[in-house]
Amino acid sequence: EPEVTQTPSHQVTQMGQEVILRCVPISNHLYFYWYRQILGQKVEFLVSFYNNEISEKSEIFDDQFSVERPDGSNFTLKIRSTKLEDSAMYFCASSPSPLTTGLPYTQYFGPGTRLTVL
Amino acid sequence: GIQVEQSPPDLILQEGANSTLRCNFSDSVNNLQWFHQNPWGQLINLFYIPSGTKQNGRLSATTVATERYSLLYISSSQTTDSGVYFCAVGDGNYQLIWGAGTKLIIKP
Repeated sequence: EPEVTQTPSHQVTQMGQEVILRCVPISNHLYFYWYRQILGQKVEFLVSFYNNEISEKSEIFDDQFSVERPDGSNFTLKIRSTKLEDSAMYFCASSPSPLTTGLPYTQYFGPGTRLTVL
Repeated sequence: GIQVEQSPPDLILQEGANSTLRCNFSDSVNNLQWFHQNPWGQLINLFYIPSGTKQNGRLSATTVATERYSLLYISSSQTTDSGVYFCAVGDGNYQLIWGAGTKLIIKP
């Protein structure tokens, strides 16, 4: 069964450094998402991406965050200058087109990248 | 925006017991998904169930959309069922809105 994959599984960085989290969505999916989960808290939506542009973003997704689909398979989340409070698990998700499934945006999640900012 | 509430927040059971987890949501939804977060932090898709009833092995789920709640049933619990169970809903926008989860501990 196709899966969403994410790399690295764990990243440790110094405050102020840039990090790039990588995701490979399921190959025929068209919608891509990033979520984060601070330890012990609920999962929070960051951004959704469709047709090479951001379709929706939350208040968390400020100017220090950016997303990109640099080629036909990867989807990345960049944090420009990391802060201590960016420490969290970051999940990538993808969903197929509702036109093909008849289902609105059923989302499939990757295993997550645990980001630790020191 | 939509509010999602899950109950109970914590549940401790002996192996073999049955359990019911509840998810209430404050407005109409067209997407509802149940997830299991295992001890390694991975989110496992359990059900896509904006309405109706589904079963998968020892797990089943029912969503009554008109009354704005969903139930997840776990029968004959095993220690591997331990973890946090999340309900997440969507209202036609792209994002999923998450509940705070139910932490389930199954004791051998």
